[in-house]
Amino acid sequence: GAVVSQHPSRVICKSGTSVKIECRSLDFQATTMFWYRQFPKQSLMLMATSNEGSKATYEQGVEKDKFLINHASLTLSTLTVTSAHPEDSSFYICSARLPSGGAFYEQYFGPGTRLTVT
Amino acid sequence: GQSLEQPSEVTAVEGAIVQINCTYQTSGFYGLSWYQQHDGGAPTFLSYNGLDGLEETGRFSSFLSRSDSYGYLLLQELQMKDSASYFCAVDPYNQGGKLIFGQGTELSVKP
Repeated sequence: GAVVSQHPSRVICKSGTSVKIECRSLDFQATTMFWYRQFPKQSLMLMATSNEGSKATYEQGVEKDKFLINHASLTLSTLTVTSAHPEDSSFYICSARLPSGGAFYEQYFGPGTRLTVT
Repeated sequence: GQSLEQPSEVTAVEGAIVQINCTYQTSGFYGLSWYQQHDGGAPTFLSYNGLDGLEETGRFSSFLSRSDSYGYLLLQELQMKDSASYFCAVDPYNQGGKLIFGQGTELSVKP
């Protein structure tokens, strides 16, 4: 149980275009999901906390107008990178927590999306 | 704020025991977690310490001492498949369950 999927796994886009990444909890309902980015050989940097039915909470330094997050259902959160630039190229990973009553400290991660902006 | 320090790289041989340390400066958190990530893959949960002391899960153990602002992950009977990056993380108080990760330790297991 507790499987999180992401789509696409890899995407290449041209500079100036937008890319949408989907994160789905397959066998549980996730009221809260998290979005991270990770550069090669570096740590996971939290970008934002996505809450179902409300606005995302962005970490300091993350541009909310550039990284649009929508959590429209209990099993789906999306991250849209708008007007992508080469410096946005990175590994984007989502995670989800089990609903109340589960192991609150354990997050389940998706397989990640490798974004390359040319 | 929170910052967690880990060694960047550790090398050990198959069958050995290795300890990966995590020291932190944080304003308060519920517990210290450990995650494993193979190259290009998703992080997977290994262990959690909500209280001080040792937690054992098979070949992996984790330790936390809040008074020393220190924790570690202990891997026993190392196997080649344990070669991966290991991250400690904290879930800060009243922050909606988000995790703040350390910089990660790349473990290389040699034959």
